[in-house]
Amino acid sequence: SQKIEQNSEALNIQEGKTATLTCNYTNYSPAYLQWYRQDPGRGPVFLLLIRENEKEKRKERLKVTFDTTLKQSLFHITASQPADSATYLCALYNTDKLIFGTGTRLQVFP
Amino acid sequence: NAGVMQNPRHLVRRRGQEARLRCSPMKGHSHVYWYRQLPEEGLKFMVYLQKENIIDESGMPKERFSAEFPKEGPSILRIQQVVRGDSAAYFCASSPGTGEDHEQYFGPGTRLTVT
Repeated sequence: SQKIEQNSEALNIQEGKTATLTCNYTNYSPAYLQWYRQDPGRGPVFLLLIRENEKEKRKERLKVTFDTTLKQSLFHITASQPADSATYLCALYNTDKLIFGTGTRLQVFP
Repeated sequence: NAGVMQNPRHLVRRRGQEARLRCSPMKGHSHVYWYRQLPEEGLKFMVYLQKENIIDESGMPKERFSAEFPKEGPSILRIQQVVRGDSAAYFCASSPGTGEDHEQYFGPGTRLTVT
């Protein structure tokens, strides 16, 4: 069956460190993968998109990698700040819609 | 440029009543998606619409749920005869096209509580 898995346990890290979140998928062959941020009580906000022929994408303190052999994407936040605390969702494009993972909650403490 | 708007933000219905959720996409966007999110769960796709057409409703329950996106006015997600299990946050998203690399812009959601 098709699955998108993100670490369901919360990730707690200290301010200034790099946070790394994982997204694994099975039985998909996505042309691209997206990452979103969701704060409590709010809708998701788009962060980054990476295509299957791209190994890495960067935007300010964010970095995403995409390994289609391992069927995995890694999402990094460098020099993390308490304001980065949120739930981060990965999403795959399948046919005509996005399929979301369950998200990983990140908590950055001072 | 206003973002995706949803109303109401909170909706309380008794079992058996109807719930109507509205979504106005971003200006210039003709593609609308509805998602449901249960507590501690991810977003689940429900339906994808373009103006006056349902493109993909594979994620929507066959009974009691319907969606439309008329030529004029907002997209409507309608839930008839609500049950407690319908309590969730319902998010609408819009995008400008069908291209695979289009990000989706989400509204703030409608939180439905069925009592």
